[in-house]
Amino acid sequence: DTAVSQTPKYLVTQMGNDKSIKCEQNLGHDTMYWYKQDSKKFLKIMFSYNNKELIINETVPNRFSPKSPDKAHLNLHINSLELGDSAVYFCASSQVEKLFFGSGTQLSVL
Amino acid sequence: DAKTTQPTSMDCAEGRAANLPCNHSTISGNEYVYWYRQIHSQGPQYIIHGLKNNETNEMASLIITEDRKSSTLILPHATLRDTAVYYCIVRVVGTYKYIFGTGTRLKVLA
Repeated sequence: DTAVSQTPKYLVTQMGNDKSIKCEQNLGHDTMYWYKQDSKKFLKIMFSYNNKELIINETVPNRFSPKSPDKAHLNLHINSLELGDSAVYFCASSQVEKLFFGSGTQLSVL
Repeated sequence: DAKTTQPTSMDCAEGRAANLPCNHSTISGNEYVYWYRQIHSQGPQYIIHGLKNNETNEMASLIITEDRKSSTLILPHATLRDTAVYYCIVRVVGTYKYIFGTGTRLKVLA
């Protein structure tokens, strides 16, 4: 069983569209994250939820809205997609010490 | 902002030890040193962490200097599959924010 799973793995869309990326973890962790990795491979934290409560909200455009329906899920919705949103988005979860990452969603905005 | 400095890239011969340095001269007394690696475009993977004592697990060893201002990750017998970007992170246990720097791109050569 995959510990942290994200869907879809690839997402190709037009500018201006709205899209969502889903993330689920089966590790029983309380904390989940979204990270963005740009073309220069720099990995930057975007959001973190702990027990469904938002605890980290970095300087991210408000077109990005995370939603955590329960502590095993953290979805990322992106409105009005822009070219600069093209990146790999990683979901992760943690309990105390270690981060466990999903395999990433490669978003390409055309 | 990342509090660590790492060399951009390193090469290592297969079967030899890979020693990856990290400078964290502004580390606080309650901050741990963590190492993760990212193989190709997969999600980063936890390797090891420590506070001030040297640590060893099935993947690697972590050597932290006595003043804690730098550390070295040691892969004792590097294989081609160890080719990856290695990230050194400092973090206070119990906090949620992991800040990744630019990492060291390790290439293991046959």
